[in-house]
Amino acid sequence: RKEVEQDPGPFNVPEGATVAFNCTYSNSASQSFFWYRQDCRKEPKLLMSVYSSGNEDGRFTAQLNRASQYISLLIRDSKLSDSATYLCVVTLTGNQFYFGTGTSLTVIP
Amino acid sequence: NAGVMQNPRHLVRRRGQEARLRCSPMKGHSHVYWYRQLPEEGLKFMVYLQKENIIDESGMPKERFSAEFPKEGPSILRIQQVVRGDSAAYFCASSPRVNTEAFFGQGTRLTVV
Repeated sequence: RKEVEQDPGPFNVPEGATVAFNCTYSNSASQSFFWYRQDCRKEPKLLMSVYSSGNEDGRFTAQLNRASQYISLLIRDSKLSDSATYLCVVTLTGNQFYFGTGTSLTVIP
Repeated sequence: NAGVMQNPRHLVRRRGQEARLRCSPMKGHSHVYWYRQLPEEGLKFMVYLQKENIIDESGMPKERFSAEFPKEGPSILRIQQVVRGDSAAYFCASSPRVNTEAFFGQGTRLTVV
């Protein structure tokens, strides 16, 4: 079983739409959680950390549900520049980062 | 504070040659991770190192691949006797402490011809 699972999409949404991604993780001992974004053939870049209390950064909101072992990312008022692959990341006690395979988002004019 | 630096950005090797990929972590970061990404696929963990120690190499093939992070100098990922299947983007990331976010270099794109 994979450590982190994501719906690969693709998600195609119009500008201004709200879109949500979910990610599930298998190990209840997982310690830290992040969302990264990766543009085509470039390096992943940290989008935001995910905290148990939930956190918001502008149009982006991340939630963590430890009981159900899932993480979510909500993007409001989608922009063309949001088009990318969004990677869910989980760490375990050994500090290894486990990446999901990513969810592809295309925002359409 | 410069980001994670990887070189070379592009590397072409003939089958059977050796490939050496370098990664200089961000200043103050002592944790280094190497990942491989095949075309149209996700990031696959290879190895996690701290200064002079390999912490977890469970994702690295047992043969031909090795990694080090010496006391001085960059981390090196070495691939001996490369084969076509080694063609991929190799990303390095670093973090300052356990369970904190990691920052990625721009990657080395290895092409084996």
